[in-house]
Amino acid sequence: KQEVTQIPAALSVPEGENLVLNCSFTDSAIYNLQWFRQDPGKGLTSLLLIQSSQREQTSGRLNASLDKSSGRSTLYIAASQPGDSATYLCAVFYTGGGNKLTFGTGTQLKVEL
Amino acid sequence: SAVISQKPSRDICQRGTSLTIQCQVDSQVTMMFWYRQQPGQSLTLIATANQGSEATYESGFVIDKFPISRPNLTFSTLTVSNMSPEDSSIYLCSVAFAYEQYFGPGTRLTVT
Repeated sequence: KQEVTQIPAALSVPEGENLVLNCSFTDSAIYNLQWFRQDPGKGLTSLLLIQSSQREQTSGRLNASLDKSSGRSTLYIAASQPGDSATYLCAVFYTGGGNKLTFGTGTQLKVEL
Repeated sequence: SAVISQKPSRDICQRGTSLTIQCQVDSQVTMMFWYRQQPGQSLTLIATANQGSEATYESGFVIDKFPISRPNLTFSTLTVSNMSPEDSSIYLCSVAFAYEQYFGPGTRLTVT
């Protein structure tokens, strides 16, 4: 059974700081890994999708890396802004999952002025 | 990509009643997914809805409690039946294109 863990559970940083969110998974037989953002009480917004054959993906100030062999992914946010405050979730789509995602526990980020 | 809408966006319901949540997608999709997110928790898959067949439920979820309809390739409903306060959650529908998953805005349900 796939288990996905995110560290830290919560993070508070001053505006402008670069930060790294971590995601680890137990079964490396994955199709892809996806990072999402969730604002309080809202749905999920897809940020980045990394295919199993890729090492990283970039979108604006966001960079996600994938090390499938070690079961780890990181989401790097450059020059953080108060508008980045949200919960960040990683999810893996894996071979044994039967066409469904397994979600991590989430990291709640607060960027302060 | 896909644009997904859900109705209602939120509701407050009495214990013992039922609520039907609608999900509309702007593209035809084979599978639609229904998730639950309990307060302070991550997402848990309830069931996968395929057009023209019975939904496939995950462990811990049963059809009598969460009946699902999938009348066509762009629409699905999830009913939360005989509600209790433990059903208070955000319910989200989702679709996948080429294994990238997209989510609706969610339905926030509070059961009193």
